Amino acid sequence: GQQLNQSPQSMFIQEGEDVSMNCTSSSIFNTWLWYKQDPGEGPVLLIALYKAGELTSNGRLTAQFGITRKDSFLNISASIPSDVGIYFCAGQIPGNTPLVFGKGTRLSVIA
Amino acid sequence: DAGVIQSPRHEVTEMGQEVTLRCKPISGHDYLFWYRQTMMRGLELLIYFNNNVPIDDSGMPEDRFSAKMPNASFSTLKIQPSEPRDSAVYFCASSFPTSTINEQFFGPGTRLTVL
Repeated sequence: GQQLNQSPQSMFIQEGEDVSMNCTSSSIFNTWLWYKQDPGEGPVLLIALYKAGELTSNGRLTAQFGITRKDSFLNISASIPSDVGIYFCAGQIPGNTPLVFGKGTRLSVIA
Repeated sequence: DAGVIQSPRHEVTEMGQEVTLRCKPISGHDYLFWYRQTMMRGLELLIYFNNNVPIDDSGMPEDRFSAKMPNASFSTLKIQPSEPRDSAVYFCASSFPTSTINEQFFGPGTRLTVL
């Protein structure tokens, strides 16, 4: 089946630092989504991207849909302690198919 | 809207017992997904429904797992008999995809522990 390579697997950063994580695929996707999962909760949608090259922001979060349609990145600026959690990328190949999820990036923020 | 609702939030059972997990999708959503999450394997899609009909159950690990969706507002995932390796967090998600938008909304999950 389809697989997404998400990196890094985990990150430890100081409060106030910027963070970058990305996902790559060998297949072309027509949708990229980024989710955040807090401990003990389900993933919550952060940003959705639907066009190659699209750059979208949501507060301190910025995500881009790669122009090759095979990758996406998520940046978090000026991290704060509540940014702690697991960030998942998800993509959909052309056609009405289920999303494919990456294995997540576990973010820890040191105050 | 209340979002996707799952029950119970936590379930502890003994090996061999039957376990039933429940999900109420967001009203108006016509797709429903069941996922399993473990540290080792991440999020795995088990099965999904469209308009209450199972579309793909290739992710269901084995015959001990079954899922039903008797109506648009309710689905169950059943494990019988349960085994310790079934211990995981089980998520239900729903969506209403259009030609341009496909966003899944997750429930809070059920943490299952099989002793």
